[in-house]
Amino acid sequence: QQPVQSPQAVILREGEDAVINCSSSKALYSVHWYRQKHGEAPVFLMILLKGGEQKGHEKISASFNEKKQQSSLYLTASQLSYSGTYFCGTETLDMNTGFQKLVFGTGTRLLVSP
Amino acid sequence: DGGITQSPKYLFRKEGQNVTLSCEQNLNHDAMYWYRQDPGQGLRLIYYSQIVNDFQKGDIAEGYSVSREKKESFPLTVTSAQKNPTAFYLCASTLLGLAGGPGNEQFFGPGTRLTVL
Repeated sequence: QQPVQSPQAVILREGEDAVINCSSSKALYSVHWYRQKHGEAPVFLMILLKGGEQKGHEKISASFNEKKQQSSLYLTASQLSYSGTYFCGTETLDMNTGFQKLVFGTGTRLLVSP
Repeated sequence: DGGITQSPKYLFRKEGQNVTLSCEQNLNHDAMYWYRQDPGQGLRLIYYSQIVNDFQKGDIAEGYSVSREKKESFPLTVTSAQKNPTAFYLCASTLLGLAGGPGNEQFFGPGTRLTVL
């Protein structure tokens, strides 16, 4: 049920690009992307709801494939401030309660060096 | 300013003690969530609540209890039954989406770091 994120860690030099993937064995209602700095709360980046959707702002964007089973986060021309751990959260149905809930992946650690 | 507050920021507990973590939001959000995060790990759902006076167990509810007497407040009690409570605890809230689920972004509080002595 937990989405699989890859890679587990990425080391970049400033200005390089990175792609972080999030996949599930079942179709998802939505995918959320968050970034967390060490010791801080996760910060929302974006949410994708529709199959085939692509969205983003400036140099951080994301896509959701047509089958709604995979999402990718694209970081282009990385900056030092992009360092942190990136989590995807996938919305799934809690079979015990009938409510939707978010299940987070294990995260991708990104380090951007000068 | 609207937001979510958690207190305390750091909490130390002796074995066998119950402790309560506070979570308050003034965003008028319907749903509230408690997550546990262990070093180098993702967030695991402990409990969640979508309406006042109702809450559901998440994936790791054993050893925890919650209440939702007010829309703004969702305190978490870590009981002595929780064998390994040392972790970073995050509270979050959201407006419910069209399907009644978290179709909107979750706003997180600053977290409480709990350490068992």
